Amino acid sequence: EIVLTQSPGTLSLSPGERATLSCRASQSVKNNYLAWYQQRPGQAPRLLINGVSNRATGIPDRFSGGGSGTDFTLTISRLEPEDFAVYYCQQYDGSLYTFGQGTKLEI
Amino acid sequence: QVQLQEAGPGLVKPSQTLSLTCSVSGGSMSSGSYYWTWIRQFPGKGLEYLGRIYYRGMTYYSPSLKSRLTISVNTSENQFFLTLTSVTAADSAVYYCAREPQFYFDSWSPGTLVTVS
Repeated sequence: EIVLTQSPGTLSLSPGERATLSCRASQSVKNNYLAWYQQRPGQAPRLLINGVSNRATGIPDRFSGGGSGTDFTLTISRLEPEDFAVYYCQQYDGSLYTFGQGTKLEI
Repeated sequence: QVQLQEAGPGLVKPSQTLSLTCSVSGGSMSSGSYYWTWIRQFPGKGLEYLGRIYYRGMTYYSPSLKSRLTISVNTSENQFFLTLTSVTAADSAVYYCAREPQFYFDSWSPGTLVTVS
């Protein structure tokens, strides 16, 4: 099973700043099966990025994903007030799906 | 735009069976382009993938739950179902149904809290 470790656990920033969130896999993620989700309080997760770097429909271009192998990042170029939430990465290794434990982005 | 809505009891007694229904609107499950999936989120916020079904009935279950989990589908009603047997307090979570295009989840239900007590 591939374990995803997200860092930092909590990231404190201000609107307008740049956020960089990390997701490290215990083994190489195959076929770019790496996605990112945003979860606001009381809501279901929302898909932001699939295939490492493909923005989902309707996601603003201030969100970008990158990385390869075992190290992946989600970057939010200029934080808006609605971006303060919890972010999860998720992978599929051909037989198992796993999620990271989340990064809380707070003001 | 597809929407998913789960339904089921919020409270289940230990050792009993949890049954949930996910109703899909805004698109046909029989389009063949997607898997239909169950995911849960524990009180500590960790997310766990449970399993999926294709409209023709083919299923995949997480190995950790395979002995207790059944996912089924009724395409005429555009619904799919989760049945989890022999529940314990460790199964208490928010349960989501979701659409899975290709190993990620692009539409989610609002979520329903299930407590085993």
